Amino acid sequence: DQQVKQNSPSLSVQEGRISILNCDYTNSMFDYFLWYKKYPAEGPTFLISISSIKDKNEDGRFTVFLNKSAKHLSLHIVPSQPGDSAVYFCAATPASQGNLIFGKGTKLSVKP
Amino acid sequence: DGGITQSPKYLFRKEGQNVTLSCEQNLNHDAMYWYRQDPGQGLRLIYYSQIVNDFQKGDIAEGYSVSREKKESFPLTVTSAQKNPTAFYLCASSGSLFEAFFGQGTRLTVV
Repeated sequence: DQQVKQNSPSLSVQEGRISILNCDYTNSMFDYFLWYKKYPAEGPTFLISISSIKDKNEDGRFTVFLNKSAKHLSLHIVPSQPGDSAVYFCAATPASQGNLIFGKGTKLSVKP
Repeated sequence: DGGITQSPKYLFRKEGQNVTLSCEQNLNHDAMYWYRQDPGQGLRLIYYSQIVNDFQKGDIAEGYSVSREKKESFPLTVTSAQKNPTAFYLCASSGSLFEAFFGQGTRLTVV
């Protein structure tokens, strides 16, 4: 049973527009959430994170929103750039354990 | 430069052979992890270690073994018991915050 779900395997966006990547989780013990970006044949790189005590965290063009009651988080990229084209993984962890549980990823394509 | 290094980048194994994937980090991180990536499957946890000489099974530990004799090193052995070992393997480490740093991965192919 998947504890972290990314229901959209792919997303295509025009350059300059907003990209919204969604993630749902089922485990109420998760209290820290992260987004990773991955290019083919490379390891994922950390993008942005959010603690369950917050509902928003912003870093440049990237903003993560957390809705605890809905067990839902989203990553907004504004404006989207062609270099953002990659697979984005949502991850969650219960702080007491520290191991990350990943979703299946969403492949973002940003078209010039 | 601080980082996490996996070797080799590509590895070919004959059926029935054990192979060991190397993972070394100089970030002074306590926790280290092994993940496996298959197309459409995301990243699945094989084993993780929170401290030297201790490790726990992840979701798909069958057919794999690990050791954590040194803080810097967390090698993964893919044994002949692993029925479908062809995959992309990723090692990661993390410190007191939960952001994990990943290596560049090892692509294992059974021939």
